[in-house]
Amino acid sequence: EDKVVQSPLSLVVHEGDTVTLNCSYEVTNFRSLLWYKQEKKAPTFLFMLTSSGIEKKSGRLSSILDKKELSSILNITATQTGDSAIYLCAVEDTSGTYKYIFGTGTRLKVLA
Amino acid sequence: GAVVSQHPSRVICKSGTSVKIECRSLDFQATTMFWYRQFPKQSLMLMATSNEGSKATYEQGVEKDKFLINHASLTLSTLTVTSAHPEDSSFYICSARVRATVGYTFGSGTRLTVV
Repeated sequence: EDKVVQSPLSLVVHEGDTVTLNCSYEVTNFRSLLWYKQEKKAPTFLFMLTSSGIEKKSGRLSSILDKKELSSILNITATQTGDSAIYLCAVEDTSGTYKYIFGTGTRLKVLA
Repeated sequence: GAVVSQHPSRVICKSGTSVKIECRSLDFQATTMFWYRQFPKQSLMLMATSNEGSKATYEQGVEKDKFLINHASLTLSTLTVTSAHPEDSSFYICSARVRATVGYTFGSGTRLTVV
C-alpha cells in the first residue's frame, strides 16, 4: 500500500532554533514530492521536488529530495513564531489518476 | 497566480439535510479536481477525484451516494454531502492541478458542522 510518513509528529522549539522535518514515502509511481504549510485553512505551497539532490530554497526554508532513500527533508532556520503550523508532505502518484498521497503532517510550534 | 475559489467557507446544517460545496478555478481550466476531508489534527485524506465531463473516481471507503461530485465544466466542481450526519462534520477542501511545474493549488476549505 502506498504511504507517506512524516516525522516527528509534533515539535516545539524556541525562536531562533533550526528544525528539520522528515518525509519518507513508499509510492508505486512517484512523480514529485511537495511540501505545504497549513495554518488555519488551506495549505499553502512551499516546494515541489522532482529531482534528487537538488536543494530548493526560499528564504529561511529549504528542502531536498533523496530518491535513493525515498525521502525528503524540510529545513527551517532561525525559526519565528510565524512558522508555527502543520507542515504537510505530499507525494504525487501517477498510478491511474494523478493524485496526492499526504503524510500525517508535522505540527510545529515555535515559542517566543 | 492560479486561484481556486471555494464556497461556502463555513456551513452549519441540520442532520438529514444536504449541503453543496463549490470549487471554481478562477484563472485556469481545471480538468481534474481533487476533494479531501480533514479531521482535527489529522492530515488530508483524499475522498475522490473529479474529472470534467465524466464520473468521479472515489477512494476506497468513501460512499459515492453520500458524497456526490459533479464536474460539469472546466472551471467548476461541486461536492454535495447528502443526508448529512454529525459524523460528516469535517473540513472539506478541494485542489486542482495547475501545471506540471507548479503543482496543485487548494481552495480555502469548507468547515462543515452538522447538528
